Amino acid sequence: QSALTQPASVSGSPGQSITISCTGTSSDVGGYDYVSWYQQHPGKAPKLMIYEVSNRPSGVSNRFSASKSGNTASLTISGLQAEDEADYYCSSYTSTTSQVFGGGTKLTVL
Amino acid sequence: QLQLQESGPGLVKPSETLSLTCTVSGDSISSSNYYWGWIRQPPGKGLEWLGSIYYTGSTYYNPSLKSPVTISVDTSKSQFSLKLSSVTAADTAVYYCAKTIRGSQRVFNYWGQGTLVTVSS
Repeated sequence: QSALTQPASVSGSPGQSITISCTGTSSDVGGYDYVSWYQQHPGKAPKLMIYEVSNRPSGVSNRFSASKSGNTASLTISGLQAEDEADYYCSSYTSTTSQVFGGGTKLTVL
Repeated sequence: QLQLQESGPGLVKPSETLSLTCTVSGDSISSSNYYWGWIRQPPGKGLEWLGSIYYTGSTYYNPSLKSPVTISVDTSKSQFSLKLSSVTAADTAVYYCAKTIRGSQRVFNYWGQGTLVTVSS
């Protein structure tokens, strides 16, 4: 069982916006501004999309944004495109195991 | 262009030691404020951080791992390595090596392609 809870799946149509949640505790998401998000296409390595709650690495589209409120972090993808279909993982620093991932969310673009 | 390439046996017997090496090219493994790490992903499952190392040899491990982990670095070869001892079938996974963002020991923005290691007799 993953320490961070994500919905198993979300879906949206091209052009729409979707939000993926990531719920933890005060020992991880709620306690530190060290939440990151990764995108993973089938058979590929993960790609960092967001770090430190809301920062985008160079080269990542500004259609990807993220935030945190209490023990829940959220990733929002606006203007959904077919290429956004992938698995998304949140991750957080934690006082117990140093770094923990969520179970992953499969995004389907309808 | 930074490239990371994992190498090592694709099949390991239970109770033996899993050993992998990551070769770094296109960047200095001795870059200040950047760390190098290992992450794994069992087939069809999520990601798990195993540990990270700085070029000086300082290491940071996931304390929740059941199998003992050792990460080492050889700056002369631009390589860092992973050893996981007393493996079981639960250690079957794709193993990724990766480089962190500046100043972080556990957030990775450059990844190798991954290598599947199967633990089976």
